[in-house]
Amino acid sequence: QVQLVQSGAEVKKPGSSVKVSCKASGGTFVSYVFNWVRQAPGQGLEWMGHIVPFFGATDYAQRFKGRVTITVDRSTDTAYIQMSGLTSDDTAVYYCVPEDADYGYYWGPGTLVTVSS
Amino acid sequence: QLVVTQSPSASASLGASIKLTCTLSSGHSTHAIAWHQQLPQQVPRFLMKVNSDGSHAKGVGIPDRFSGSSSGAERYLIISSLQSEDEAAYYCQAWDTDIRIFGGGTKLTVL
Repeated sequence: QVQLVQSGAEVKKPGSSVKVSCKASGGTFVSYVFNWVRQAPGQGLEWMGHIVPFFGATDYAQRFKGRVTITVDRSTDTAYIQMSGLTSDDTAVYYCVPEDADYGYYWGPGTLVTVSS
Repeated sequence: QLVVTQSPSASASLGASIKLTCTLSSGHSTHAIAWHQQLPQQVPRFLMKVNSDGSHAKGVGIPDRFSGSSSGAERYLIISSLQSEDEAAYYCQAWDTDIRIFGGGTKLTVL
């Protein structure tokens, strides 16, 4: 079963960028699809996009296209999500959620990103 | 375009059973879905996948009280012998080709 460690909380200014990492261990990194899901305070879950590490192929929710980039570093078994043009609406907990064809989904611990002037 | 719909809230008594519903939009009745549970102030966890034929595959450690079924475009999460610790938000998640979509979630209250 995969274990996930995400980077620490971030406080960002409006208009800036943020990059959140998710290091996986205990599983076969390239066998997962790495989803990124966010949850604004008091709100539901929102899928942002994912990457297939084996191919490096990505897909994004329409509303995040052009503003979000998901990458992986296969040498360190780490997935990343970078978001630019931050606004207060991007204040949320960001979850790394690897998807396994046989098991289902593993949820990372989450990273709180706060956007405030 | 795939849309996933859930009722915002549900309630049932301690020890009773409840069926939560996830409805897929027209033209997507053959899609499988996943159920996720989020306890208050906790990280979500994967419960199960439910296929259009009603078969389901649960995650590791999910109690037998949790099961899934299907009917047409509806996917269900059935919780029997409700316990206080089942009070949580339950999210339905579907996938359409290369994207994933969450429903708005159902907040379950155990009375």
